[in-house]
Amino acid sequence: AQSVAQPEDQVNVAEGNPLTVKCTYSVSGNPYLFWYVQYPNRGLQFLLKYITGDNLVKGSYGFEAEFNKSQTSFHLKKPSALVSDSALYFCAVRDYESSGGGADGLTFGKGTHLIIQP
Amino acid sequence: DTEVTQTPKHLVMGMTNKKSLKCEQHMGHRAMYWYKQKAKKPPELMFVYSYEKLSINESVPSRFSPECPNSSLLNLHLHALQPEDSALYLCASKGSYNEQFFGPGTRLTVL
Repeated sequence: AQSVAQPEDQVNVAEGNPLTVKCTYSVSGNPYLFWYVQYPNRGLQFLLKYITGDNLVKGSYGFEAEFNKSQTSFHLKKPSALVSDSALYFCAVRDYESSGGGADGLTFGKGTHLIIQP
Repeated sequence: DTEVTQTPKHLVMGMTNKKSLKCEQHMGHRAMYWYKQKAKKPPELMFVYSYEKLSINESVPSRFSPECPNSSLLNLHLHALQPEDSALYLCASKGSYNEQFFGPGTRLTVL
């Protein structure tokens, strides 16, 4: 079964410092990995994806993620955090087991609250 | 345009009511999804439509009834819901590389 683990419920970072939000995955087959951000009372916003190719993926709002096959990790990073980055972050993997006509669902990690302190 | 729209934004209904949630996208995506999200939890997949046909039903109770009238629209019909069904209901559509684009959601409260 596909699964995603986000080991930290909450990450606290001072504004201007680099941030990392951790994600590890377990899949059968090639992983399709995604990061989403959710602000209070809002839907999920797509940040970035890894399908194939370069292990360092760049996304929206200055975020990037590093795919590490040997460690089965896909950590989200940003060089300099902003207070406005404070939100709930979800890592997700394509769920091959829900596959139907090529319209696979996503399996999400439990989410990590990122708090950027001024 | 990478927008998925959902109406209404908020919905309060009694356990005997019948209501519908609506979702629309104009990105030409051929797969659309309904997810349920409880507070501070990840979204859980409910239904998947691919080319306007229901392809995945994640064992959702029959009081939830999805409908896909055309490739741009997705409905979720609600009937005889329970208070535990109160949640944020999210619609999404799938892009070219399996990324899903989510709408803002409908906040449902069942009294």
